[in-house]
Amino acid sequence: ETGVTQTPRHLVMGMTNKKSLKCEQHLGHNAMYWYKQSAKKPLELMFVYSLEERVENNSVPSRFSPECPNSSHLFLHLHTLQPEDSALYLCASSQVSRSTDTQYFGPGTRLTVL
Amino acid sequence: GENVEQHPSTLSVQEGDSAVIKCTYSDSASNYFPWYKQELGKGPQLIIDIRSNVGEKKDQRIAVTLNKTAKHFSLHITETQPEDSAVYFCAAPPTFGKGTMLLVSP
Repeated sequence: ETGVTQTPRHLVMGMTNKKSLKCEQHLGHNAMYWYKQSAKKPLELMFVYSLEERVENNSVPSRFSPECPNSSHLFLHLHTLQPEDSALYLCASSQVSRSTDTQYFGPGTRLTVL
Repeated sequence: GENVEQHPSTLSVQEGDSAVIKCTYSDSASNYFPWYKQELGKGPQLIIDIRSNVGEKKDQRIAVTLNKTAKHFSLHITETQPEDSAVYFCAAPPTFGKGTMLLVSP
């Protein structure tokens, strides 16, 4: 698990708060991802930064804002969240190539919105 | 976009039995299929993967089979142990299945 680290591991916030999730990968990869994992739902891809280009899921609300200052760091800025945004937020990284795109996940941030 | 269906959603077996989890995908262009294991409080961890140029791959008690024509792939775990209990996800990246909760009883 030390390949991809995430902080904080747990976060409780009110709907009016602003917070940020942080992810760091130590694997030398060139792509990073944010996923949302809710109970009884598949992993939902939110954002991808691949080869310095951002690809996003158009269904993600604007209250989630990603930032990728370099290939090793990824942030998810949160503001004016709703209780239904409570979930496990997973960061992943991969080395994009033609034959494989294995993603390595961090431990996640358990977010609770009150 | 890609659609991945995974079955069953839960699977209970006795220690020593085999477990099989099946997935189907929709995009015939997909050529890489990993399987992940997620234990409580942890992120998904890759356990085995297969590329479209092979039909089967085995790693000790774990094997994966791929049928490109039918667009389905399966995870097989033999001689299951209690520590195999976890949620297993298939994927046709970046799309994941909904997961299978495997419970191995001693």
